[in-house]
Amino acid sequence: KQEVTQIPAALSVPEGENLVLNCSFTDSAIYNLQWFRQDPGKGLTSLLLIQSSQREQTSGRLNASLDKSSGRSTLYIAASQPGDSATYLCAVKARETSGSRLTFGEGTQLTVNP
Amino acid sequence: DTAVSQTPKYLVTQMGNDKSIKCEQNLGHDTMYWYKQDSKKFLKIMFSYNNKELIINETVPNRFSPKSPDKAHLNLHINSLELGDSAVYFCASSLWSSGRARSNEQFFGPGTRLTVL
Repeated sequence: KQEVTQIPAALSVPEGENLVLNCSFTDSAIYNLQWFRQDPGKGLTSLLLIQSSQREQTSGRLNASLDKSSGRSTLYIAASQPGDSATYLCAVKARETSGSRLTFGEGTQLTVNP
Repeated sequence: DTAVSQTPKYLVTQMGNDKSIKCEQNLGHDTMYWYKQDSKKFLKIMFSYNNKELIINETVPNRFSPKSPDKAHLNLHINSLELGDSAVYFCASSLWSSGRARSNEQFFGPGTRLTVL
């Protein structure tokens, strides 16, 4: 059974700092890994998706890496801003079939202080 | 031009009632999902439908019955609501298309916060 763990559970940083969020998963037989952002009382916004054959994806100040063999992914946020404050969720997709589930971690709650 | 929409956004009801949550996507996706986010913010899959057919049915009480009238809609009906059903329910959709750069990316609706009193 796939389990996804995110460390740390909460993180508070001053504005402008670069930071790394960690995600680990127990079963390396994944199809892809997706990072989401969730604002309080809101839905999930997809940030980055990494296919199992890829090692990283970048979007603006965000960079996500994937090391499938060790069961790890990191989300790097450069030059953090107060608007980055949210909960960041990591989720892995089991296999290449329609409808296969995403297994989520519990999230990292990020606060960027002005 | 909302991609995945859910109604209602908030639902407050008494124990024992029956209620429905509706979900619609206009992305042309063929797969839709229901997830439950509990009070500890942990998200867990409940159901998945592909082309109107049930693909995933996790260990969910059979008081929960999903219905997919067409590929763009996946509704969730809950009978005899219990206190423990209070949670935020998220609908999501994706397109199963292997080989594409962003294939299988799941897009989520805004959620329905259900409170059972």
